Amino acid sequence: DAEITQSPRHKITETGRQVTLACHQTWNHNNMFWYRQDLGHGLRLIHYSYGVQDTNKGEVSDGYSVSRSNTEDLPLTLESAASSQTSVYFCASGQGGTDTQYFGPGTRLTVL
Amino acid sequence: RKEVEQDPGPFNVPEGATVAFNCTYSNSASQSFFWYRQDCRKEPKLLMSVYSSGNEDGRFTAQLNRASQYISLLIRDSKLSDSATYLCVVNIRLHNAGNMLTFGGGTRLMVKP
Repeated sequence: DAEITQSPRHKITETGRQVTLACHQTWNHNNMFWYRQDLGHGLRLIHYSYGVQDTNKGEVSDGYSVSRSNTEDLPLTLESAASSQTSVYFCASGQGGTDTQYFGPGTRLTVL
Repeated sequence: RKEVEQDPGPFNVPEGATVAFNCTYSNSASQSFFWYRQDCRKEPKLLMSVYSSGNEDGRFTAQLNRASQYISLLIRDSKLSDSATYLCVVNIRLHNAGNMLTFGGGTRLMVKP
């Protein structure tokens, strides 16, 4: 069955380290998204991509980067992790021209 | 002001009760609307889309009022398994036919035996 996966599911890191969260989908969706979810803020968009080599900044992109070298993957990199980036991160994908997004299981990141 | 606002709850209701959630959005250019459900420590999942004419899916009814920029979700005959957080979601179509979802903070529902 087609699916969307994230790894790792849990990560503890230290301030200043570079961290990469993986997202992989097998639906062949053009659109992929990264969100973070924090108490009091709900889900907020970090970056998104509408296809290979396309990336765009979302609402809270500072300190994050993404790259889209193929259809299936959109890794999210924290260049220099900060404690304010402790959060739950969700990746999502959706077919271009449609509205529905399918979410991965999430990655719980703690920055000490 | 948040783009999508919801009462965070929690709404504590007995099994079998009818419960309604409301949501308001600020961007009049919003084009499509959804309710997602999120269980504790899980990913959001699409519950239903919301259309201007109103739509029903079993015990769930969604309504949209574009003039008032207001969305509602009604759950009839609540089940224990309905306990979750319900996210109001608004979609704005962007320049290159992509879409951007804006999420409300969610309304937490707890159904008690």
